[in-house]
Amino acid sequence: DSGVTQTPKHLITATGQRVTLRCSPRSGDLSVYWYQQSLDQGLQFLIQYYNGEERAKGNILERFSAQQFPDLHSELNLSSLELGDSALYFCASSPLGSTEAFFGQGTRLTVV
Amino acid sequence: GIQVEQSPPDLILQEGANSTLRCNFSDSVNNLQWFHQNPWGQLINLFYIPSGTKQNGRLSATTVATERYSLLYISSSQTTDSGVYFCAYSGGSNYKLTFGKGTLLTVNP
Repeated sequence: DSGVTQTPKHLITATGQRVTLRCSPRSGDLSVYWYQQSLDQGLQFLIQYYNGEERAKGNILERFSAQQFPDLHSELNLSSLELGDSALYFCASSPLGSTEAFFGQGTRLTVV
Repeated sequence: GIQVEQSPPDLILQEGANSTLRCNFSDSVNNLQWFHQNPWGQLINLFYIPSGTKQNGRLSATTVATERYSLLYISSSQTTDSGVYFCAYSGGSNYKLTFGKGTLLTVNP
């Protein structure tokens, strides 16, 4: 158990819908990262937050957004879902002063 | 941009065999991690190894930062070692991880 908690584990939704994925980082970790794993793109970095502020952005679509709350949990919002958004979405966190990333179990999103 | 290359892409072993997986990266390193993704999709953190050598049971890893590569050794492989092994890297002032395409390991009984 990495200490990073993601909910839900599985999500099935229809095209055009909006979903929210939730991540609770390890206790005390200020950095939260979101990654997407799809069959065609592999594992890709989406976005990083540090202590509530956006720190880095990767290949994140405009239909996707994220935020980190004062209690340090983070949410990834995916809207106007398309079939191609079906993927495993991982959250990771890192402790202050370390580059090591600890990954959650992922949320498997299926868009039908 | 940052490149991470893993080899081999696929590997089939008999139970009990040893193997070496390689990861080449293109820039100075501040993080190098090895992960095992099991059939359920979970990413298991094997090693955090930006430099040096570490061992954990039948697994060990070495990163030679000056030559920009890392190796993962699996000894006496078991069927439960099957899955995809990913190398992930970050460099410079950037902490986001760039993943390789993985090595698909199949261990047959």
